[in-house]
Amino acid sequence: AQKVTQAQTEISVVEKEDVTLDCVYETRDTTYYLFWYKQPPSGELVFLIRRNSFDEQNEISGRYSWNFQKSTSSFNFTITASQVVDSAVYFCALSEFLSGSAGNKLTFGGGTRVLVKP
Amino acid sequence: GAGVSQTPSNKVTEKGKYVELRCDPISGHTALYWYRQSLGQGPEFLIYFQGTGAADDSGLPNDRFFAVRPEGSVSTLKIQRTERGDSAVYLCASSLHGQTSYNEQFFGPGTRLTVL
Repeated sequence: AQKVTQAQTEISVVEKEDVTLDCVYETRDTTYYLFWYKQPPSGELVFLIRRNSFDEQNEISGRYSWNFQKSTSSFNFTITASQVVDSAVYFCALSEFLSGSAGNKLTFGGGTRVLVKP
Repeated sequence: GAGVSQTPSNKVTEKGKYVELRCDPISGHTALYWYRQSLGQGPEFLIYFQGTGAADDSGLPNDRFFAVRPEGSVSTLKIQRTERGDSAVYLCASSLHGQTSYNEQFFGPGTRLTVL
């Protein structure tokens, strides 16, 4: 079975500090997709990024950056110069193929709560 | 455009009662998913619809849980004889197609179910 592990339960930083969230996954699929979602206090999951298993280029979007390393099965997420509005729970997820239906489901990690203090 | 909507936002019921949770996906999205999120955990897959049919219900915990999507749009998750352990946030998501794993899933705000 596929598995996503986010070892950090909670991270607390002071505004403007950088914060890196770890994600390690397990899969037997050769082609797969990884995702990061943000869940602010309002509760709605917000899509941040998608990465396919063939693309190991790092990606940067504003203050967010992602480091995908297939050799270590990791897909880490860094917030640079954190802001109070970044306070949320962040989930890493792996797209898993559903063999009976040719569909897909997301397998989520346990989430990392980020608290940015002013 | 409108996102995924779910009603009610909160539902409090008594043990043993029947509840229905509704999901309105994004217009044009053929794939619909239900997940359950317990406190302090990540969402867990329950069921996946492609069009009107339940393509995969392997995540449903037992036969008290059932979901329908009769016209390929709105879906209802039904829970019979509710138990305290069913208390959680039930999340609905939709995506453009279900068979392509790169399609991101868009989530609704969830229904918080509390079973007393």
